[in-house]
Amino acid sequence: AQTVTQSQPEMSVQEAETVTLSCTYDTSESNYYLFWYKQPPSRQMILVIRQEAYKQQNATENRFSVNFQKAAKSFSLKISDSQLGDTAMYFCAFMRGGGSNYKLTFGKGTLLTVNP
Amino acid sequence: DTGVSQDPRHKITKRGQNVTFRCDPISEHNRLYWYRQTLGQGPEFLTYFQNEAQLEKSRLLSDRFSAERPKGSFSTLEIQRTEQGDSAMYLCASSLVQGARTEAFFGQGTRLTVV
Repeated sequence: AQTVTQSQPEMSVQEAETVTLSCTYDTSESNYYLFWYKQPPSRQMILVIRQEAYKQQNATENRFSVNFQKAAKSFSLKISDSQLGDTAMYFCAFMRGGGSNYKLTFGKGTLLTVNP
Repeated sequence: DTGVSQDPRHKITKRGQNVTFRCDPISEHNRLYWYRQTLGQGPEFLTYFQNEAQLEKSRLLSDRFSAERPKGSFSTLEIQRTEQGDSAMYLCASSLVQGARTEAFFGQGTRLTVV
């Protein structure tokens, strides 16, 4: 079974600064995908960024980038130039690859507050 | 709106009553998932459908829970004889399986409070 651990229940950052959210995971799988999802207050969860485990290059989506350390089983999210709209719960998630299920295993989340 | 839609958004029920939630996925999506999210936790997988077939159920899904997806379109999740421990956010997600590019889209959820 897979586990995903987010060790930071809450974080805060000043607008325009950079913040990094941590995530570690445990799996015996070699083929898998990792995700960061954002859940704003009272709104649906949306995908922020994804990383295929077989890719060495870290994924980047505009202000969002990841630091994927496969050997250490670490998958952190960096948000640059933080904006007030980035305030949300952020969930790290794991999905086994190569199968037919595609279900997600989530961490407990990190509540990020961006202060003006 | 072409996203995943869930109804109702909020439900308050007395312990012992039955409740039913509905999820309308994105129309071309063949996969539909149900997750449960309790306070301070991330979503936990409950069950999923490929078209109308229910292919996997989590151990979290007790006998009081049943899910259906008739005709492979919308899905319903019913909880019978609700208990206070059933209080949670119930999330629905859908996806179009495209191998490595599969992405799940989530609805806004149904928040259930059992009193």
